[in-house]
Amino acid sequence: GAGVSQSPSNKVTEKGKDVELRCDPISGHTALYWYRQRLGQGLEFLIYFQGNSAPDKSGLPSDRFSAERTGESVSTLTIQRTQQEDSAVYLCASSLGLRGAETQYFGPGTRLLVL
Amino acid sequence: RKEVEQDPGPFNVPEGATVAFNCTYSNSASQSFFWYRQDCRKEPKLLMSVYSSGNEDGRFTAQLNRASQYISLLIRDSKLSDSATYLCVVNRNDYKLSFGAGTTVTVRA
Repeated sequence: GAGVSQSPSNKVTEKGKDVELRCDPISGHTALYWYRQRLGQGLEFLIYFQGNSAPDKSGLPSDRFSAERTGESVSTLTIQRTQQEDSAVYLCASSLGLRGAETQYFGPGTRLLVL
Repeated sequence: RKEVEQDPGPFNVPEGATVAFNCTYSNSASQSFFWYRQDCRKEPKLLMSVYSSGNEDGRFTAQLNRASQYISLLIRDSKLSDSATYLCVVNRNDYKLSFGAGTTVTVRA
C-alpha cells in the first residue's frame, strides 16, 4: 500500500512569509508525528497526534509553529513569519497508534529553505 | 547532555570488512531501542529493533548493554549498499522517539 506522503518536496520562501507543509499518513495509522532535521543533525521531535488530538506539543520551537490534523488523516504543519533558522527538512511519520514504541514510518520530507 | 549520542564517523571500510559502532543513551528508564538507516537526502527507515538478549538480522547484529547504557551495531561482510547513516533511536515506552545524530558508514570497492 501507499506509504507516508508529504508535500511539497521542496519549498523556498522569503524570510517573514508563512508556509504550510502537508503530511498524508498511511491509511489506518492513528498516530502521526512531525520532526525537524537540520543539516548534519539528528531528528528533533516537534509534535505528536493521536487521532486528531495533539497530547504533546512540547517540541514546537516557538509560537510561530502550529499543527493540526483533521479526519484522523491529513496533517498540516504551519510556520508563520519564517526565519532563516527554520531552514531544515521537516519529516512526518505515522504509526498504528496502538502502543508506545511502535515502528514509525517516515515520509520523504519537505526541504524548506528560508532566504 | 544529549539523550542519545553517537560517534558521527565517518567509518570508511572496504567491501567485505566488518564495521561496528556504538551509541550511548542517558535515560536509564529507556525501554525500547532501534537502529534506523538513513540514506543521503532520504527519510529514515527502520533497520532493526534491539532486544535485551541481542539479535541478528542477516549480516547485522545489534547488542544492548543496559548497565552501561549503550547499544551497538555490527555489520559483517560489508556491501557497497550498506553505505548510509545509521541512527540510534531510544524510546521510553511512550510514543516519543529520541534520535541520535547518526553514524556515517561508507563502504568502498
